Amino acid sequence: EAEVAQSPRYKITEKSQAVAFWCDPISGHATLYWYRQILGQGPELLVQFQDESVVDDSQLPKDRFSAERLKGVDSTLKIQPAELGDSAMYLCASSSRQGVGEQFFGPGTRLTVL
Amino acid sequence: ILNVEQSPQSLHVQEGDSTNFTCSFPSSNFYALHWYRWETAKSPEALFVMTLNGDEKKKGRISATLNTKEGYSYLYIKGSQPEDSATYLCALSDGGKLIFGQGTELSVKP
Repeated sequence: EAEVAQSPRYKITEKSQAVAFWCDPISGHATLYWYRQILGQGPELLVQFQDESVVDDSQLPKDRFSAERLKGVDSTLKIQPAELGDSAMYLCASSSRQGVGEQFFGPGTRLTVL
Repeated sequence: ILNVEQSPQSLHVQEGDSTNFTCSFPSSNFYALHWYRWETAKSPEALFVMTLNGDEKKKGRISATLNTKEGYSYLYIKGSQPEDSATYLCALSDGGKLIFGQGTELSVKP
């Protein structure tokens, strides 16, 4: 069964360090999403890609966060420098169709910033 | 901006109890309402996608209803089992991203 892969599963870092997360969507899925879930809240969209293009990054803190999907397949989300408030679960999802298409999620990366 | 509210925040039931959760949202235009089940250390798993007022979906002991006119969806679990323990998330699709509620954490004790 096709799955969305994410790595690492857990990451502990000190503030001001750089961290990177990787996501490999289900093969053939053109739309890729990065969500962040802070403890006690629902996931919130950080960035949405359609193929290699950014469709929505309005909630991405661009002073420290960056995301890329160079060949329209896998994607990397980077934080530099990490801050204490960045501690959260980072979820990647993919969909075959933008809009009403079902989104399939990976297991997430749990980030702890000390 | 769509605001999605879920209640209760957490629920503790005994094995065999039936339970239900609520997802509330502004009764305005949206594309679809999604329910996900998220077990610890696993990926969120899609349960249902509903688009029309009056939609009812069922999967085994779990079912869901949608009322777009009054702005709510119910998720029902009949005869809860320990393996149903998870966080249940509802989300609205605005045509692109999902807008999530904060989730209901269900714990089923044997």
